[in-house]
Amino acid sequence: KQEVTQIPAALSVPEGENLVLNCSFTDSAIYNLQWFRQDPGKGLTSLLLIQSSQREQTSGRLNASLDKSSGRSTLYIAASQPGDSATYLCAVRSGGTSYGKLTFGQGTILTVHP
Amino acid sequence: ETGVTQSPTHLIKTRGQQVTLRCSSQSGHNTVSWYQQALGQGPQFIFQYYREEENGRGNFPPRFSGLQFPNYSSELNVNALELDDSALYLCASRPDSLYEQYFGPGTRLTVT
Repeated sequence: KQEVTQIPAALSVPEGENLVLNCSFTDSAIYNLQWFRQDPGKGLTSLLLIQSSQREQTSGRLNASLDKSSGRSTLYIAASQPGDSATYLCAVRSGGTSYGKLTFGQGTILTVHP
Repeated sequence: ETGVTQSPTHLIKTRGQQVTLRCSSQSGHNTVSWYQQALGQGPQFIFQYYREEENGRGNFPPRFSGLQFPNYSSELNVNALELDDSALYLCASRPDSLYEQYFGPGTRLTVT
């Protein structure tokens, strides 16, 4: 059974800091890994998708890496801004068929204060 | 905007009642999945439909059921509501050619 863990559970940083969010998963047989952002009471916004054959993906100030063999991914946020405050969720898709559910971590609550 | 919409936004029901939540996906998104997110938790997979057939199910009892229609809309039905069913229910869809899921804004269900 796939299990996804995110560390830390919560993080508070001053504006401008670079930060790293961690995600680990127990079964390395994944198809891909996706990072999401969730604002309070809202749905999920996809940030980055990394296929199992890839090592990293970048979008603007965000960079996500994947080490499938060790079951780890990191989300790096450069020059954090108050608007980055949200919950960040990591999810892995297991299996290689059209049926491949996403297994989520519990999220990291990020607060960036001015 | 993900192109996935859900209705209603909020809903309050009484224990024992039945509820239907709705989702509308983009044209061409043949796969739709439903997730339950309790407060402070990550989303949990309920089930998935592909071209109107259920092709995957998580650890949820049979009183959670669904339907998918040819017009890319879908429903999640929950019978005999329990207090623990209070959660944010998320619908996600994707086309055949991509594995990135697109999520709707969710329906907040409160069971009293």
